Amino acid sequence: ETGVTQSPTHLIKTRGQQVTLRCSSQSGHNTVSWYQQALGQGPQFIFQYYREEENGRGNFPPRFSGLQFPNYSSELNVNALELDDSALYLCASSPGLREGDTQYFGPGTRLTVL
Amino acid sequence: TQLLEQSPQFLSIQEGENLTVYCNSSSVFSSLQWYRQEPGEGPVLLVTVVTGGEVKKLKRLTFQFGDARKDSSLHITAAQPGDTGLYLCAGAPGYSTLTFGKGTMLLVSP
Repeated sequence: ETGVTQSPTHLIKTRGQQVTLRCSSQSGHNTVSWYQQALGQGPQFIFQYYREEENGRGNFPPRFSGLQFPNYSSELNVNALELDDSALYLCASSPGLREGDTQYFGPGTRLTVL
Repeated sequence: TQLLEQSPQFLSIQEGENLTVYCNSSSVFSSLQWYRQEPGEGPVLLVTVVTGGEVKKLKRLTFQFGDARKDSSLHITAAQPGDTGLYLCAGAPGYSTLTFGKGTMLLVSP
């Protein structure tokens, strides 16, 4: 139990639709990172937010966007869904930006795009 | 881009056997982490290694960080069915995000 929750657990969308995934970080954790994990792969870094500002971004197109709120919740939004967006989406919270800070992962949201 | 290669990709063994999984890179990492992920769950941190040559033990699990900080290994002694899961190594490439390998899927049969 990491104290990080995600919703919904599962989601099915069709190509071209938009989706919003939610994450609730541990209280006091100012950093949230989002990862995409395709089947049979390790997680890939999408972006990171620190105190409600984007702090870094991986190799993902602009249709992947995010928000972080003062109450330690955050969102991942994906527009114009493509079949390849089908994956497990993980959020991870950590106290700050120190290198090597432990990241606490949520259970993920399984997104299926048909 | 700093890549982490894990081997083997899949390992199926009997309870009581020993095993080693490897995590290799051509790049230097300031630290490496090992996670275990079970189906339907997010990765859970097992250990962080920081110093080249470092060895850490967690019950039956032994983690080693290479002298050059480019590779790491995880050795499990007397594996048990509860060890079944996806083992991921992840590197911190100098800032606070993580680069993951593809993982080693371990299946331990009774």
